[in-house]
Amino acid sequence: GENVEQHPSTLSVQEGDSAVIKCTYSDSASNYFPWYKQELGKGPQLIIDIRSNVGEKKDQRIAVTLNKTAKHFSLHITETQPEDSAVYFCAEGESGSARQLTFGSGTQLTVLP
Amino acid sequence: DTAVSQTPKYLVTQMGNDKSIKCEQNLGHDTMYWYKQDSKKFLKIMFSYNNKELIINETVPNRFSPKSPDKAHLNLHINSLELGDSAVYFCASSQDPASDTQYFGPGTRLTVL
Repeated sequence: GENVEQHPSTLSVQEGDSAVIKCTYSDSASNYFPWYKQELGKGPQLIIDIRSNVGEKKDQRIAVTLNKTAKHFSLHITETQPEDSAVYFCAEGESGSARQLTFGSGTQLTVLP
Repeated sequence: DTAVSQTPKYLVTQMGNDKSIKCEQNLGHDTMYWYKQDSKKFLKIMFSYNNKELIINETVPNRFSPKSPDKAHLNLHINSLELGDSAVYFCASSQDPASDTQYFGPGTRLTVL
């Protein structure tokens, strides 16, 4: 999407290593930043989200960090497992506005056994 | 119970035909969407619709039209199919369009020959 850039487009890691995916956005009014995981042959599914009133959020092996000043946010997956292999999408939105959620271009994560 | 369902899962058709994809959500959400995902996995929003407003992405050809018989359904009609329409189409729903979890259907793979 034109409002959010996502990098890298592909990422390969060894099982057990960490993976980091980064997104940058341009609209300073954005205050909602979800991450979606899309497994092969399925629709995207929300895995974690963060709102602009916090800088970090964790859920087991997954964490998201937000830097509002620099307008970027990142997904961190620790102790990666083969089942983490999927396409990951970041997105950004503005609570209370009519503007729709905008998705990044996706990252194909491959966890090598 | 499936939260967001789509039919059919696969659709193969000839250029020039008219086709429809059906979507139903049982989550009681106010907003439904249609996305197009191309071969590079980019998720492009086509329509956002609730009982008050239809938001159309300006880049979507007018051969595509959403039809909502009721709050739980948003069907996608495509007229005069073209080769470039081949993609995976996802229906989704959420309560708030800008800052709430979107629940995606399993997708419909459309192939235009």
